[in-house]
Amino acid sequence: DADVTQTPRNRITKTGKRIMLECSQTKGHDRMYWYRQDPGLGLRLIYYSFDVKDINKGEISDGYSVSRQAQAKFSLSLESAIPNQTALYFCATSDRTRGTYNEQFFGPGTRLTVL
Amino acid sequence: ELKVEQNPLFLSMQEGKNYTIYCNYSTTSDRLYWYRQDPGKSLESLFVLLSNGAVKQEGRLMASLDTKARLSTLHITAAVHDLSATYFCAVDIGQGAQKLVFGQGTRLTINP
Repeated sequence: DADVTQTPRNRITKTGKRIMLECSQTKGHDRMYWYRQDPGLGLRLIYYSFDVKDINKGEISDGYSVSRQAQAKFSLSLESAIPNQTALYFCATSDRTRGTYNEQFFGPGTRLTVL
Repeated sequence: ELKVEQNPLFLSMQEGKNYTIYCNYSTTSDRLYWYRQDPGKSLESLFVLLSNGAVKQEGRLMASLDTKARLSTLHITAAVHDLSATYFCAVDIGQGAQKLVFGQGTRLTINP
């Protein structure tokens, strides 16, 4: 079974619609992240959460919101989707308790298209 | 603001050849990560470099970190087709914050 799962894997929606992307992990990690990937731009951080009560904006948070429902679940919402939010979205986790070996583990990604 | 730049962005090479991908970053950091991404897939962790002078090797790939020069390299030895992928470096912004800034990625194509 995958350690980090994302649903849906693919989604096509229309401008103005609200959409939620979900991420779940079984790794027991305390830290979770949402990134978007655009061609030629690498990955950019949208939001991150170091525990259930700690949520922080990343580099490109405008137009997005998040919810950390539990240690294992971190959702990303687009309240009113627009075409330039068309991208590949990745969830990632890491474990603070592993000390300096702060490797991030990525989910399979969600391909979102906004028409 | 931390900026991470990879060079080259596209690389096409022949099997059996050697080459190096460079990752430069703009502010102090002592933690750097290399990831591999196959088309349509997620990111797979390759190397974690945690200090100046760190060198890690796995098969035909070797990564190094020079924190004074703010430079990491990913060296490919005797390339094989299976190494075709996009490679990303990512730099931790510091103080163990676990916030990564990614380079643009290097798309590597290895031809028979």
